[in-house]
Amino acid sequence: DTAVSQTPKYLVTQMGNDKSIKCEQNLGHDTMYWYKQDSKKFLKIMFSYNNKELIINETVPNRFSPKSPDKAHLNLHINSLELGDSAVYFCASSLLTSNHEQFFGPGTRLTVL
Amino acid sequence: RKEVEQDPGPFNVPEGATVAFNCTYSNSASQSFFWYRQDCRKEPKLLMSVYSSGNEDGRFTAQLNRASQYISLLIRDSKLSDSATYLCVVIYMFSGGYNKLIFGAGTRLAVHP
Repeated sequence: DTAVSQTPKYLVTQMGNDKSIKCEQNLGHDTMYWYKQDSKKFLKIMFSYNNKELIINETVPNRFSPKSPDKAHLNLHINSLELGDSAVYFCASSLLTSNHEQFFGPGTRLTVL
Repeated sequence: RKEVEQDPGPFNVPEGATVAFNCTYSNSASQSFFWYRQDCRKEPKLLMSVYSSGNEDGRFTAQLNRASQYISLLIRDSKLSDSATYLCVVIYMFSGGYNKLIFGAGTRLAVHP
């Protein structure tokens, strides 16, 4: 299936732990994104990469570190997890030269206890 | 003031009703506009682009008023399957041709029999 996939779908962990979320797209897109959707359902951009290069880095704590090993993958590592990090994290991808439509992954629901 | 504002709803309407959602944006430099749809516990998906001249896709009509910085979505003959959250999205382009999507918090629609 052509799509944006994320793993894991659910992640429950203790405060202070370090965790990673992986994202892969096989759509041939050159730009990938991480979004956070909090309990109020606000979807906010965190990072964007184009061809493995960071192009958007919103005001996100430096405990969050994205890594793009190639243009089909964008992973998110989170250090020292806090209660406020609990949210749904969506990965998305797009073609820079497209009409800006972004295709989203199914989301990773992170719960920090 | 939020960059993109929407009435959160919920809008509870019977099948067959016509319903309209509004959205305002604060940055006049915004260049592209979209409506996304997000089903409960799912990822957002593009519903339609919004053009200055107004555009229609089946039962859905989108309008843009740049002078008032206002976007609307009209759904005619509502179906049960239209129940979802509708996200207003505004795009800013910046140097290098990159773009950033700013999402509204969404308007929830519940269509009942």
